[in-house]
Amino acid sequence: EPEVTQTPSHQVTQMGQEVILRCVPISNHLYFYWYRQILGQKVEFLVSFYNNEISEKSEIFDDQFSVERPDGSNFTLKIRSTKLEDSAMYFCARGTSGVANTGELFFGEGSRLTVL
Amino acid sequence: AQSVTQPDIHITVSEGASLELRCNYSYGATPYLFWYVQSPGQGLQLLLKYFSGDTLVQGIKGFEAEFKRSQSSFNLRKPSVHWSDAAEYFCAVAGGNNDMRFGAGTRLTVKP
Repeated sequence: EPEVTQTPSHQVTQMGQEVILRCVPISNHLYFYWYRQILGQKVEFLVSFYNNEISEKSEIFDDQFSVERPDGSNFTLKIRSTKLEDSAMYFCARGTSGVANTGELFFGEGSRLTVL
Repeated sequence: AQSVTQPDIHITVSEGASLELRCNYSYGATPYLFWYVQSPGQGLQLLLKYFSGDTLVQGIKGFEAEFKRSQSSFNLRKPSVHWSDAAEYFCAVAGGNNDMRFGAGTRLTVKP
């Protein structure tokens, strides 16, 4: 059983549409991360989230993106107006007490986003 | 910010042969280093990690890696590769901040 469940597993959307990707950790953890992987390319860090606020974000994570944990359980990544280049696999991960402490992130199986 | 370079995009080895995947990192202080494996269509699974102490770390599935500060390297090794080891391997580095950065990955093909 995965440590993190992601939904949807695959979403196809039209360019300009809003997309919400969801991540449901099984245990109650504080640290969450979003990464993306464009087909055939490296896994890229997007954002880390701790205690209900963003702690780090990369240059990729611009105003088009937002994250929140509205109900204290689901951790969501919203892409406001999707572009073709947003097509990628998006991975959610959770950590127990921060990457620098435990060193391990537990990844979900990913949500594949296809923008047409 | 920290970064990782994996010089080999694709490596092919014969089943039973030894394997070494290269990883070089860039970080100003002592890094936290990881190797993850990704099978086709799957998420990322941690193979092993280095924080401090013994520079040779053992991981799952018979993998090991050695941290060499002088070379800024953290190469992954396995003495005898199995067909099931065919996958994409990612080296990653984390610093005192709260994010992990991955290398571009090395695709391993295992010949029968």
